[in-house]
Amino acid sequence: GAGVSQSPSNKVTEKGKDVELRCDPISGHTALYWYRQSLGQGLEFLIYFQGNSAPDKSGLPSDRFSAERTGGSVSTLTIQRTQQEDSAVYLCASSFRRLAGGQRDTQYFGPGTRLTVL
Amino acid sequence: DAKTTQPPSMDCAEGRAANLPCNHSTISGNEYVYWYRQIHSQGPQYIIHGLKNNETNEMASLIITEDRKSSTLILPHATLRDTAVYYCIVRVGSGDNQGGKLIFGQGTELSVKP
Repeated sequence: GAGVSQSPSNKVTEKGKDVELRCDPISGHTALYWYRQSLGQGLEFLIYFQGNSAPDKSGLPSDRFSAERTGGSVSTLTIQRTQQEDSAVYLCASSFRRLAGGQRDTQYFGPGTRLTVL
Repeated sequence: DAKTTQPPSMDCAEGRAANLPCNHSTISGNEYVYWYRQIHSQGPQYIIHGLKNNETNEMASLIITEDRKSSTLILPHATLRDTAVYYCIVRVGSGDNQGGKLIFGQGTELSVKP
């Protein structure tokens, strides 16, 4: 079946511009995660959506970052007034997460969006 | 912070078994050990996970010590395509209040050589 898809695959923008990154999770997956990977750095968690619950935004680095998930499926990560330090690969993952327990919550990642802020 | 420590790099000859160690001495009773790998310019790929029993799937085997303070990922017959960064992650299973987010460390860069 189809995996997690992300678009665009590459995005080059100028400092100060806003950007939107899109994630299409695996069909039926209830949980969606955003991570980012800066050059030479590990992956860091940004935000997590689970069903209709309030998202866990604890990893967002500043208020310039926001994300939404419409209809429990597609998610958009928005970065306002981009800065050069925002340059990174932004990765989306989804899982079939059951809060009641069980192990069907392995996260599957998309290919990422490489963002370059000039 | 990541709760695991891994060697930064390892080499393995093609066709031989690759044994990647991971220390997680502060692991709690309800925390699982997950392994992911990331091939250059791709998103992380799930490999295997376990709680306390050894696990095997089509990709690899996971050996967890009896005290659960360390584990080893085994790729039985490494190929050049297995060259990647391998991440060992400790996380709480479903039903936790931490959202299931993955905390990645620096991982082990495995180079499989001909």
